[in-house]
Amino acid sequence: GAVVSQHPSRVICKSGTSVKIECRSLDFQATTMFWYRQFPKQSLMLMATSNEGSKATYEQGVEKDKFLINHASLTLSTLTVTSAHPEDSSFYICSARDADRVVGETQYFGPGTRLLVL
Amino acid sequence: GNSVTQMEGPVTLSEEAFLTINCTYTATGYPSLFWYVQYPGEGLQLLLKATKADDKGSNKGFEATYRKETTSFHLEKGSVQVSDSAVYFCALRGIQGAQKLVFGQGTRLTINP
Repeated sequence: GAVVSQHPSRVICKSGTSVKIECRSLDFQATTMFWYRQFPKQSLMLMATSNEGSKATYEQGVEKDKFLINHASLTLSTLTVTSAHPEDSSFYICSARDADRVVGETQYFGPGTRLLVL
Repeated sequence: GNSVTQMEGPVTLSEEAFLTINCTYTATGYPSLFWYVQYPGEGLQLLLKATKADDKGSNKGFEATYRKETTSFHLEKGSVQVSDSAVYFCALRGIQGAQKLVFGQGTRLTINP
């Protein structure tokens, strides 16, 4: 089946630094990738939708200058948390839609990245 | 806006017990409904789905029926196994902004031998 990987799986950083998280579709091309954030015991909240070769679409309340998303190829999207602060600590999950599948039907999820900002 | 409400966990059952995890939704029109499962250390996997009213999704012994009249999509399994221990997420995809999924808060299920 389709596999999505994320790197790193876990990262600890100091407040004020920037952290980049990669999301890769390993065996399929993904024209669209999604970034979610999950707080403990809470739901996944969609942060942004990323389309290859164009600017990401951010959900209401998500700071686009804080969470930079780049989708430069059909197999890679990156999320950069700029000037991270402790309140940015969370579990970040990406998903990718297979470009060859029926529109909207199939999203494949990565295993998530746990970010801890000290 | 669209929303999904799931039965709060955690849920702990013995092996071979009957499982129900409740899920209700709020949405305009006829959304598509999904159950995702997240095993420890892994990404979310699609478990089953239903795209129109009265459809029944099924996979690996799990079933859920799209009930428009009660706006529900409850997950059931007749006899659970230890390997079913995971976090289960109910989700919907609305008729607008077609690719966006809205998730419930997740229900952690633990099956004891």
